[in-house]
Amino acid sequence: DQQVKQNSPSLSVQEGRISILNCDYTNSMFDYFLWYKKYPAEGPTFLISISSIKDKNEDGRFTVFLNKSAKHLSLHIVPSQPGDSAVYFCAGDDKIIFGKGTRLHILP
Amino acid sequence: DADVTQTPRNRITKTGKRIMLECSQTKGHDRMYWYRQDPGLGLQLIYYSFDVKDINKGEISDGYSVSRQAQAKFSLSLESAIPNQTALYFCATSVGRGSTDTQYFGPGTRLTVL
Repeated sequence: DQQVKQNSPSLSVQEGRISILNCDYTNSMFDYFLWYKKYPAEGPTFLISISSIKDKNEDGRFTVFLNKSAKHLSLHIVPSQPGDSAVYFCAGDDKIIFGKGTRLHILP
Repeated sequence: DADVTQTPRNRITKTGKRIMLECSQTKGHDRMYWYRQDPGLGLQLIYYSFDVKDINKGEISDGYSVSRQAQAKFSLSLESAIPNQTALYFCATSVGRGSTDTQYFGPGTRLTVL
């Protein structure tokens, strides 16, 4: 049973526009959620997190929204920049369970 | 210098060989993890260790073993490598305290089993 799901394997967005990456979860016991970013040939790096008691967390161009009733969270990147092209992983805090990732392509 | 290092970075081996992947960290973290990444499957947890005396199986531990030699070192072994263990392997560490247990990843080891 996959506890954290990212159903979109890839996403293409025009530079300057908003990128929205989605994640669904089944485990209601997660205390917080994290987003990681991964470039080719590198390990993932932490991007932003959100506590399960909050519905929004913002850090610069990155905002994560949590909808507990829908068991859904999303990462918004605005404006999207070329350096944002990477694979993004959503994760729950239970021994850090990761989704399969979404590859984001920022188009010039 | 990198906080989390992995050796080797690349390894090609043959079926049936014993392989050890090593991870070292200078962050002083208690918790260490091993993941593998396959295309389209994201990161799957193999083993994790919350301190030197605490080692636990993850989602896909079959065919793997680990050793936590010290707080700073966590090694992953494949006793008899098989081709479907060809993957990218990542080590990670975390503090284990506080409200958000952020993980810090090493650069990865690309393992190919022929």
